[in-house]
Amino acid sequence: GENVEQHLSTLSVQEGDSAVIKCTYSDSASNYFPWYKQELGKGPQLIIDIRSNVGEKKDQRIAVTLNKTAKHFSLHITETQPEDSAVYFCAAQGGGATNKLIFGTGTLLAVQP
Amino acid sequence: NAGVTQTPKFQVLKTGQSMTLQCAQDMNHNSMYWYRQDPGMGLRLIYYSASEGTTDKGEVPNGYNVSRLNKREFSLRLESAAPSQTSVYFCASSEVIAGELFFGEGSRLTVL
Repeated sequence: GENVEQHLSTLSVQEGDSAVIKCTYSDSASNYFPWYKQELGKGPQLIIDIRSNVGEKKDQRIAVTLNKTAKHFSLHITETQPEDSAVYFCAAQGGGATNKLIFGTGTLLAVQP
Repeated sequence: NAGVTQTPKFQVLKTGQSMTLQCAQDMNHNSMYWYRQDPGMGLRLIYYSASEGTTDKGEVPNGYNVSRLNKREFSLRLESAAPSQTSVYFCASSEVIAGELFFGEGSRLTVL
């Protein structure tokens, strides 16, 4: 089955800097890659996603890139702000009939003012 | 709209006790899920229901049962709680199986 690895458990940046969080996946048949943001005491919330037929997607300060050959995808946040501080989860939709979404272990992003 | 509502928000159980976590969504979504969140483990799928009348095992189903009561409600039952089931449980729903997940605020369960 699908295995998603999110190697950075914590990332600290200065306000205004960029942050990049990378994930790798194992199943070459996976075709959907969302990123979720979880604020303290809340449930995760979708912030951006990408499907395997495109290589990059942007939404204001947030972008996601996908490298299908290397089987990795990354979240890019530019001009970070204190309110970007949260846990970020990557996920991959496994190939096959069940289409289960498998999450990475999460990265705590701390934006220092 | 309330979105996804879970009850209870907090619960303490003794080993061997049983309990049911309730989840309801008001978005007319077809698919519903139960995840558990543990430090360093991320979100792991326990069970899901792709549509009303169906349920399937996720990554970590042992020790749990689920019921898709109707389109709105999906409950998770622990028949005989164990300390290893101490976790934060999240219910989620999506319009379709490969769509955006909408999560509840979580239920923190401690098993002593």
